[in-house]
Amino acid sequence: QVHLQESGPGLVKPSGTLSLTCTVSDSIRTSNWWSWVRQPPGKGLEWIGEIYHSGSTNYSPSLKSRVTISVDKSKDQFSLRLNSVTAADTAVYFCARRITIFEVIDAFDIWGPGTMVTVSS
Amino acid sequence: DIQMTQSPSSLSASVGDRVTITCQASQDISNYLNWYQHKPGKAPKLLIYAASNLETGVPSRFSGSGSGTDFTFTISSLEPEDIATYYCQQYDNLPHTFGGGTKVEIE
Repeated sequence: QVHLQESGPGLVKPSGTLSLTCTVSDSIRTSNWWSWVRQPPGKGLEWIGEIYHSGSTNYSPSLKSRVTISVDKSKDQFSLRLNSVTAADTAVYFCARRITIFEVIDAFDIWGPGTMVTVSS
Repeated sequence: DIQMTQSPSSLSASVGDRVTITCQASQDISNYLNWYQHKPGKAPKLLIYAASNLETGVPSRFSGSGSGTDFTFTISSLEPEDIATYYCQQYDNLPHTFGGGTKVEIE
């Protein structure tokens, strides 16, 4: 079973950059997309974006101007950078695997435990 | 973006009760819908994919149905360990969007 683990600072200053890394326990070079999803306190889940091991990316339009997702295949890691953060970016951030098998399944089937990031001075 | 509207936002039921949650998409998404269970402090868990397919290892008391714009998620007999928030999620179009969630509690 593949496991995901998020890591990164739990506190970021306003206007700063949020940086997180997700480590995959198996090879990242699979036919899956690797995603970031967040949950602000008391709110629901919000998809941020995703990356394929080739480097292709998809981003949420609402965050696209501030988000960069990258992949390091040598370390089986992918990373999230969110710049110009405000208090509204305070959330639990999850990394997740999106499995896609044409006309069979397209879902976030494996998730990391999540990491809380607070934006505050 | 496709908007996903879940109802109710919360419910309280007794152990053994049948629980039903609905999810409505703002446009036709065929059967491109998943359901997740999320417990506080834990990772979300995929329960149902493609509207009605049970993920491996998920108890059979969970089920899903629907297509087009209207979907239903059912717990046939509520167990204490089912206390969680449940989310629908569409994958017909990017961006992936989730419903607002339904918090299930025990009476």
